[in-house]
Amino acid sequence: GAGVSQSPRYKVAKRGQDVALRCDPISGHVSLFWYQQALGQGPEFLTYFQNEAQLDKSGLPSDRFFAERPEGSVSTLKIQRTQQEDSAVYLCASSSRRQGAGANVLTFGAGSRLTVL
Amino acid sequence: GQQLNQSPQSMFIQEGEDVSMNCTSSSIFNTWLWYKQDPGEGPVLLIALYKAGELTSNGRLTAQFGITRKDSFLNISASIPSDVGIYFCAGEKGGTSYGKLTFGQGTILTVHP
Repeated sequence: GAGVSQSPRYKVAKRGQDVALRCDPISGHVSLFWYQQALGQGPEFLTYFQNEAQLDKSGLPSDRFFAERPEGSVSTLKIQRTQQEDSAVYLCASSSRRQGAGANVLTFGAGSRLTVL
Repeated sequence: GQQLNQSPQSMFIQEGEDVSMNCTSSSIFNTWLWYKQDPGEGPVLLIALYKAGELTSNGRLTAQFGITRKDSFLNISASIPSDVGIYFCAGEKGGTSYGKLTFGQGTILTVHP
């Protein structure tokens, strides 16, 4: 597609449930990023993939958060045993450039809004 | 996590007025970016700055990369109603921190017709 597509757009989960959020990056983009945006805050970095390799996961808040991109295109962010503090908008972004290839432009998706009750 | 210091937090202005917002950091960034986010959407890039001292314009928008590499500002001239939204600054350190953006907390802009 023309842009970054995320699904579901809205997810309500009961505390303790597992959730999976999907990201379809722009076709051919090698780099993919996940960010978390709490209400009233700017986005915060979670993790970075170059093709299928997860090169940086330093922003994942706990071991309940797991991300994968097995074929180097679609990515899934999984949150296990959700807690109320996980409520946020999860943004995916992609870029045509790879690490070290100069300045980049990230294109963000519209996000998946997660509410944990 | 770390966020950049962005001010003001919100602005209420009349259509036609100019707007200025800025962002500061205690650490150096190699790239400064300004994004706009509308409700229910992801951030959209407005301006990217890659060199200290650089002044860049995009239509009615002008942004500068501070000489110290620890700050940036964004000006919007002759505001119009569609300028309404949340504006974020973001810095990138480059190298192994590629794409790992640090965002400000945002400036909420309201434009009265």
